[in-house]
Amino acid sequence: DGGITQSPKYLFRKEGQNVTLSCEQNLNHDAMYWYRQDPGQGLRLIYYSQIVNDFQKGDIAEGYSVSREKKESFPLTVTSAQKNPTAFYLCASRKGHGGYTFGSGTRLTVV
Amino acid sequence: AQKVTQAQTEISVVEKEDVTLDCVYETRDTTYYLFWYKQPPSGELVFLIRRNSFDEQNEISGRYSWNFQKSTSSFNFTITASQVVDSAVYFCALSEADSGNTPLVFGKGTRLSVIA
Repeated sequence: DGGITQSPKYLFRKEGQNVTLSCEQNLNHDAMYWYRQDPGQGLRLIYYSQIVNDFQKGDIAEGYSVSREKKESFPLTVTSAQKNPTAFYLCASRKGHGGYTFGSGTRLTVV
Repeated sequence: AQKVTQAQTEISVVEKEDVTLDCVYETRDTTYYLFWYKQPPSGELVFLIRRNSFDEQNEISGRYSWNFQKSTSSFNFTITASQVVDSAVYFCALSEADSGNTPLVFGKGTRLSVIA
């Protein structure tokens, strides 16, 4: 079945450490997106990519980096520059004007 | 600029009551798309509906119905005879239609609690 796979489901990061969240889709969708959700809050856009080898900053890109080397993959790196990374991270993909298909999310905690 | 407002932060209802979740949007585009998503406690967002701006017919799917009114820029969502499994956070979203793949603009969500 087609869908989006995010891994890991839970991730723990030490202070000053970079971590990478994986997002893979087999839906042949052109565009992919990363959102951050804090407890009780809405979705905030971190980065998005409309085509391979191209991506744009969202509303809260500072402290994050992405790459889009393959259509299927859009990994998100949370760098040490992100001072408050504890949150729920959601990846989504989209084709044209259709709705998003979301992954199941990664819960990142700083320890 | 596009904006989606979900003024109701939290709603609590007793099981079997009907409940309406409000969504008001702002856009300068004449062609656009509106969406509703459900986020259950597990966290994954589930697509519920997409409506384009040229289709103002109300939509019904089982206990769910949607009322789209361009005159008031609203796209409200009603759950009839609510059930405990309807407890979730519901998001309304907007997308411009002049180019595909642009990010959706989400409202802040409404947390619905259905009490048995």
